[in-house]
Amino acid sequence: GAVVSQHPSRVICKSGTSVKIECRSLDFQATTMFWYRQFPKQSLMLMATSNEGSKATYEQGVEKDKFLINHASLTLSTLTVTSAHPEDSSFYICSALDRGNEKLFFGSGTQLSVL
Amino acid sequence: RKEVEQDPGPFNVPEGATVAFNCTYSNSASQSFFWYRQDCRKEPKLLMSVYSSGNEDGRFTAQLNRASQYISLLIRDSKLSDSATYLCVVNVFNAGKSTFGDGTTLTVKP
Repeated sequence: GAVVSQHPSRVICKSGTSVKIECRSLDFQATTMFWYRQFPKQSLMLMATSNEGSKATYEQGVEKDKFLINHASLTLSTLTVTSAHPEDSSFYICSALDRGNEKLFFGSGTQLSVL
Repeated sequence: RKEVEQDPGPFNVPEGATVAFNCTYSNSASQSFFWYRQDCRKEPKLLMSVYSSGNEDGRFTAQLNRASQYISLLIRDSKLSDSATYLCVVNVFNAGKSTFGDGTTLTVKP
């Protein structure tokens, strides 16, 4: 079964609204989680690295005020897309690093459509 | 230069063919290596870990060459269901750093 749960799987919202996506590790404590964005037929693009108890590290070109990340516990990280616009429409995926075996487990992704 | 590089392909092969993908990494501190598979509009899923001695899982063989800093994935007797994008993932142990390539797309045709 899934070891990383991501919700919701699909969101359709109006332009200007904020959308929160949750990523939970179910079987292990994840001090490090990652957030990615993927456009159709393109590769996964790392947006930020989320570390429990500290500020997220954002990749170059990713606006931290636009994509708010909170990693408040060892099993939960959230990504909030603030004031979403149509160009934010994409497939967002999280992953959690299991430090015990160094394996990366991915959530099932969230398809965001901003109208 | 990217930390992890893969040939993007696409690789188009007939059923039953043998196909190999390579992945190079630049961080010599990298210590754990994996191959993931991603189907269209799905999340990547772990295919297999890559060990220094090389390892095999059915039709799949993974190898690691630390001296040259590359890993490979060999798929024998390709099936239609093998069509996917294959990602190599490289971790720096205990650093919370996991880097992966852009993926190699494989299409197996009848």
